[in-house]
Amino acid sequence: KAGVTQTPRYLIKTRGQQVTLSCSPISGHRSVSWYQQTPGQGLQFLFEYFSETQRNKGNFPGRFSGRQFSNSRSEMNVSTLELGDSALYLCASSFTFLGQAGNTEAFFGQGTRLTVV
Amino acid sequence: AQSVTQLGSHVSVSEGALVLLRCNYSSSVPPYLFWYVQYPNQGLQLLLKYTSAATLVKGINGFEAEFKKSETSFHLTKPSAHMSDAAEYFCAVSSGNTPLVFGKGTRLSVIA
Repeated sequence: KAGVTQTPRYLIKTRGQQVTLSCSPISGHRSVSWYQQTPGQGLQFLFEYFSETQRNKGNFPGRFSGRQFSNSRSEMNVSTLELGDSALYLCASSFTFLGQAGNTEAFFGQGTRLTVV
Repeated sequence: AQSVTQLGSHVSVSEGALVLLRCNYSSSVPPYLFWYVQYPNQGLQLLLKYTSAATLVKGINGFEAEFKKSETSFHLTKPSAHMSDAAEYFCAVSSGNTPLVFGKGTRLSVIA
């Protein structure tokens, strides 16, 4: 079956703009998590959605937001982009809510590489 | 709060040599532990996971890890390194009500 699909793969934006990233989970998976990966900070948790509800949120400013649709696809939005937002944004899907069943396997997409100039 | 410490941001081994990547965790509750691998410009792929069924866990590509509660460790090993093992490896921890928390990663280089 198809894996996790993230679009676009690469994105270049100007400081101050906003951006929307998309993630389509594996069919049947209802949980989508988002992570930011940078060389300095590593992988940092942004938020997790399950059945269209945000279940967990990391320590990021309000400029970072997300949502999940009824078909489990998720979008992540970053407003007023800053240079420090340049990163690889990874989406992971899982069958159950990770916060409820910690042993659930999370499947990752290839990520969206965002460059802010 | 949970945390993961990976000792060594970069490990270099010769082809055919033992691979040992170290991971220590901190968790106030019995943890679930994972090792993921990331190849350049790719997402993360699960190598193996510990979910309390057995302390020695075997994963894909010949990797295995041993959970040692007394040492709060979950080190990843492979008896014989292959060139295709060159990648970045991440250890992660989770509990019943938290998301995955990742270590900073260890980049493995394999020398011919």
